[in-house]
Amino acid sequence: DVKVTQSSRYLVKRTGEKVFLECVQDMDHENMFWYRQDPGLGLRLIYFSYDVKMKEKGDIPEGYSVSREKKERFSLILESASTNQTSMYLCASGTQGKGGGNFGPGTRLLVL
Amino acid sequence: AQSVTQLGSHVSVSEGALVLLRCNYSSSVPPYLFWYVQYPNQGLQLLLKYTTGATLVKGINGFEAEFKKSETSFHLTKPSAHMSDAAEYFCAVTPQGNYGGSQGNLIFGKGTKLSVKP
Repeated sequence: DVKVTQSSRYLVKRTGEKVFLECVQDMDHENMFWYRQDPGLGLRLIYFSYDVKMKEKGDIPEGYSVSREKKERFSLILESASTNQTSMYLCASGTQGKGGGNFGPGTRLLVL
Repeated sequence: AQSVTQLGSHVSVSEGALVLLRCNYSSSVPPYLFWYVQYPNQGLQLLLKYTTGATLVKGINGFEAEFKKSETSFHLTKPSAHMSDAAEYFCAVTPQGNYGGSQGNLIFGKGTKLSVKP
């Protein structure tokens, strides 16, 4: 079974802090994704990566950056956290040509 | 741009009743279609997907969905609801051109919360 793990289930940060969310997958997937989930809005794509050191903006990249130095790891970075970034963050990975994705358990981030 | 519409943010059924969750997509080219389920405080789990071939797709936990191109729909059904089916359900599409390429990202509907009454 594909396993996608995220470094924290719950995180509390202060406005202006730099925040790192880590995601690791163990199935050698090329594609990795970061989504944000908010009530009534569903999931929205922040960034995705289809190869090491490659990244593409999704629908809502503002205020975020990403890093993919190794194939199995995809990090989401909030350069200066703001209260409107309080949300559930979901990481996913997938194989090229397969579509969809396997999701991690999510990180619930609260920015005070 | 592609979009996904899930009719009804909340659906309530009685245990043993039919479950019907509606999903429509907008696309001139049929995309690839997915249903995911999310239990409280968990990530998303794939229920089923349609790519090509038979339009009636069977998934896990007794769910199935039928792709109807003429109606641009991919409704999710289960003949008999169980209490354990209470969760949030998301319909999603991957634009067909992206499926075999480098992207494969998903466009999600806003979700439907299913409640099951005893």
